[in-house]
Amino acid sequence: KAGVTQTPRYLIKTRGQQVTLSCSPISGHRSVSWYQQTPGQGLQFLFEYFSETQRNKGNFPGRFSGRQFSNSRSEMNVSTLELGDSALYLCASSLRTGATIHYEQFFGPGTRLTVL
Amino acid sequence: GENVEQHPSTLSVQEGDSAVIKCTYSDSASNYFPWYKQELGKGPQLIIDIRSNVGEKKDQRIAVTLNKTAKHFSLHITETQPEDSAVYFCAASIALPGSARQLTFGSGTQLTVLP
Repeated sequence: KAGVTQTPRYLIKTRGQQVTLSCSPISGHRSVSWYQQTPGQGLQFLFEYFSETQRNKGNFPGRFSGRQFSNSRSEMNVSTLELGDSALYLCASSLRTGATIHYEQFFGPGTRLTVL
Repeated sequence: GENVEQHPSTLSVQEGDSAVIKCTYSDSASNYFPWYKQELGKGPQLIIDIRSNVGEKKDQRIAVTLNKTAKHFSLHITETQPEDSAVYFCAASIALPGSARQLTFGSGTQLTVLP
């Protein structure tokens, strides 16, 4: 079974630009969560999407947004990039099905974003 | 919100020895505790997890223990091998029916297994 895929793997942008990252979850998984990983702050939760709706959001500014499509693929967007947005952005998928609890989250390889 | 503390930040052991990494959490409502291994250039890989209704879980050389009263949990790796060298993260989460979940991670432990 294919794992979580993220594209692109590497991105270089300049301050003020915007960026869109893509995540394809494991086949059959319907929940996608996004995390930011930096050396200073570690792994921090951004948001979770399930059934095309944002279900939970971490403590990040409104410049960070996302969406999920009917095939469960998800994108996250960062507008007006700042130097501090340089990070590894990780996507995790989970077999969430409505009221049933599915605990495990499986991560993709991440997208390395560098803001110059 | 939840806060997870992880110790030590670095750990070096001789091949064949055991390694122990400890985490504490703050929210007594947390009921799911996964451990992830992250190798250079890769995303975190789930290696073992434990739910709050279980005190200990083992999978070959890896075991996790949970003390709900003290709000801490630990990862134990026995007979360490060079390929165990990586960064290990603990995490805590509340998982409720029909509810969204988020993982709160510890700061990570760089484990080095010396040949």
